[in-house]
Amino acid sequence: DAKTTQPTSMDCAEGRAANLPCNHSTISGNEYVYWYRQIHSQGPQYIIHGLKNNETNEMASLIITEDRKSSTLILPHATLRDTAVYYCIVRSYNFNKFYFGSGTKLNVKP
Amino acid sequence: EAGVTQFPSHSVIEKGQTVTLRCDPISGHDNLYWYRRVMGKEIKFLLHFVKESKQDESGMPNNRFLAERTGGTYSTLKVQPAELEDSGVYFCASSPKTGEPGANVLTFGAGSRLTVL
Repeated sequence: DAKTTQPTSMDCAEGRAANLPCNHSTISGNEYVYWYRQIHSQGPQYIIHGLKNNETNEMASLIITEDRKSSTLILPHATLRDTAVYYCIVRSYNFNKFYFGSGTKLNVKP
Repeated sequence: EAGVTQFPSHSVIEKGQTVTLRCDPISGHDNLYWYRRVMGKEIKFLLHFVKESKQDESGMPNNRFLAERTGGTYSTLKVQPAELEDSGVYFCASSPKTGEPGANVLTFGAGSRLTVL
């Protein structure tokens, strides 16, 4: 069911930017890209979402390619608390069914 | 503002027994969702309520699962009788109705871990 492809895991040094890629080559014109993360034993936490334009909030930046077939989540200054599984999700046409996929396990190291 | 609250945080039951999970969404949120992650698998959609009505229950695995949202506030998810493969974490999420601020964002609870022995 998942319509996104992400690397299984990534490492990042504390204080450096973490760039998490996601491929969503079959995305439709009216589908949004969402990013959530799950820190161990917690529920999924919303990070950011976008349609076409790049987006930035207090947590992260989202860069979407012009053809919308891929995107990158950027955590500008990763901390140890950012260690989590990050999910790139394409919102289905009827919204309610988020397909989480396997996500990327981000390991932030001291 | 209180977040999405789920109870219990962990339940251990034997095969064949019944368990009821409860979810209290964020106050005023019309939309309530149930998701689950069974062992080693991805988080999967179960169903969606709009107020007290089931909007979409296509993800419910079988008729041993019954979800209710009487009065359109909290929701319960009952598993009866529980089987070993039902073990996993059950997440509840809520969002405001379409058009309201934040309507495009699902806020998840911490989940209820179910262990069936």
